[in-house]
Amino acid sequence: DAKTTQPTSMDCAEGRAANLPCNHSTISGNEYVYWYRQIHSQGPQYIIHGLKNNETNEMASLIITEDRKSSTLILPHATLRDTAVYYCIAISNTGKLIFGQGTTLQVKP
Amino acid sequence: DTGVSQNPRHKITKRGQNVTFRCDPISEHNRLYWYRQTLGQGPEFLTYFQNEAQLEKSRLLSDRFSAERPKGSFSTLEIQRTEQGDSAMYLCASSLLGRGQEAFFGQGTRLTVV
Repeated sequence: DAKTTQPTSMDCAEGRAANLPCNHSTISGNEYVYWYRQIHSQGPQYIIHGLKNNETNEMASLIITEDRKSSTLILPHATLRDTAVYYCIAISNTGKLIFGQGTTLQVKP
Repeated sequence: DTGVSQNPRHKITKRGQNVTFRCDPISEHNRLYWYRQTLGQGPEFLTYFQNEAQLEKSRLLSDRFSAERPKGSFSTLEIQRTEQGDSAMYLCASSLLGRGQEAFFGQGTRLTVV
């Protein structure tokens, strides 16, 4: 499974869009990009995933570059409850998630 | 509640004792994963099952750890002769089989070894 690289931390103003980048330059053709987040003392929460095309759901949008070497998770209108650690993970057929350190997103009022 | 259920939520045990945790996955989910998470770190993969078969075990899973999923439904994770270093959050996740299936996590079991 490809290694992913994320910034350690980011701040975002409440109500603004939060754009969380992720690099996965060694991703292979059959690996999906998944995003999870973890709020303190809770289990990780699934956000969104994609293979090639951009994806959107009720929580977020996922923009994957054409070469698939990087992606961006977009929270369109961040709230204080979006403060969490966000994990970007590239996984293949086993479905096994290998977590890195993630990005700690702090949404500020 | 049809999510992944883990019991107990908290466990305090004395060093040297054995502990067992239970995970009930989402109904009909073929795959079940166990992770361990210590403070300030991301979850670390321990093992996973596809139905009742244990397909992969991490090197983190020492001989004192054993996991089972006897009927392909719920799973148990047992730690024998607990050590203080085993103190962590133990997370369980489940998913359907197939590419592009998302895994859903339980709330975890927090183990404290004193």
